[in-house]
Amino acid sequence: GQNIDQPTEMTATEGAIVQINCTYQTSGFNGLFWYQQHAGEAPTFLSYNVLDGLEEKGRFSSFLSRSKGYSYLLLKELQMKDSASYLCAVREETGANNLFFGTGTRLTVIP
Amino acid sequence: DVKVTQSSRYLVKRTGEKVFLECVQDMDHENMFWYRQDPGLGLRLIYFSYDVKMKEKGDIPEGYSVSREKKERFSLILESASTNQTSMYLCASSTYGGNEQFFGPGTRLTVL
Repeated sequence: GQNIDQPTEMTATEGAIVQINCTYQTSGFNGLFWYQQHAGEAPTFLSYNVLDGLEEKGRFSSFLSRSKGYSYLLLKELQMKDSASYLCAVREETGANNLFFGTGTRLTVIP
Repeated sequence: DVKVTQSSRYLVKRTGEKVFLECVQDMDHENMFWYRQDPGLGLRLIYFSYDVKMKEKGDIPEGYSVSREKKERFSLILESASTNQTSMYLCASSTYGGNEQFFGPGTRLTVL
């Protein structure tokens, strides 16, 4: 079975840095993904980690520790448009790329 | 620009009706997926397909079936809709083994 855990809600201030954590327990592991979903819209891909360490992409970075079953998404220089839900997902070792999603973290950025 | 389209944004059906949700992608992707998204439960995989006429059950296939007759089209079928199938349904596609899934805009289905 799979268990993916992330906080339900977070609030942060415009211009600040926020870290969204995700812990997982899965029977296999072949990558961890972060998606962003604005209210009423489809999820969009943000990042992918399969090896331990930090992947940086502009204002967004994602970290993975496979031994700890832990990842975080780091958002820097927060903007109002970053208010959205952030979904953590794990791919197990299957051939068809199906993902198991956490329930998502709703981030609210305030002025 | 990559595109996944779904036949309806909003749909209202009655209990017992047969419901078809259509998804089309124009990226020549091998994999296609159907999810439902509910508050507090997140995205849950219903069915997926990695090739034409191939299908695999996801986490919650009960009450649903799928059809993939052409590579670009993946249909989700509710044989006899029930109120507990009221949900947001999202279709996605990806290349085989690819790291990014591309999602459609979703269909909000209400079963009365």
